[in-house]
Amino acid sequence: EPEVTQTPSHQVTQMGQEVILRCVPISNHLYFYWYRQILGQKVEFLVSFYNNEISEKSEIFDDQFSVERPDGSNFTLKIRSTKLEDSAMYFCASRGDGELFFGEGSRLTVL
Amino acid sequence: GDSVTQMEGPVTLSEEAFLTINCTYTATGYPSLFWYVQYPGEGLQLLLKATKADDKGSNKGFEATYRKETTSFHLEKGSVQVSDSAVYFCALSPDYGQNFVFGPGTRLSVLP
Repeated sequence: EPEVTQTPSHQVTQMGQEVILRCVPISNHLYFYWYRQILGQKVEFLVSFYNNEISEKSEIFDDQFSVERPDGSNFTLKIRSTKLEDSAMYFCASRGDGELFFGEGSRLTVL
Repeated sequence: GDSVTQMEGPVTLSEEAFLTINCTYTATGYPSLFWYVQYPGEGLQLLLKATKADDKGSNKGFEATYRKETTSFHLEKGSVQVSDSAVYFCALSPDYGQNFVFGPGTRLSVLP
């Protein structure tokens, strides 16, 4: 069964460092998303991506965040200068058949 | 804007008890409605969905009916098992956009 894969599963970084989280969406899907979840709480929308550009973004997705689809398979989330409050689980998702398919998540810990 | 409200947890039940988790939504138009489940240490998985009013989604003994008149999509299961312990998220997808809006989640613990 096709699935969304994410790497790394866990990353620890120092405040102020750049982080890149990687995702491989399901191959025939066209819409991609990043969500985050802080300490098992609410799932918060960050950004959606379609046709090589951002289609929607939330207030959380400020200038410190960027997304990219550098090739035909990867979809990345970059945080330019991490803050303590960026510590969270980051979930990538792709959309097909009207539903979201989520990856297992990347846990980011900012020290 | 669009939003989803669900009952606060945690919910603790004994095995074989009846489960209801309430979910109500606010949206313009005709959204699709979903229940996602998150088992400990895992990502979110689709549990069931309904795309139009009066549709009933069902999976693994869980079911929910899309009630447009009450803007609700309550999750029910007749007899829960320990393996159902997880966090359950109600969500909607607006008919005008591509984003999904999630409720805050309800943690369910089922005791043997």
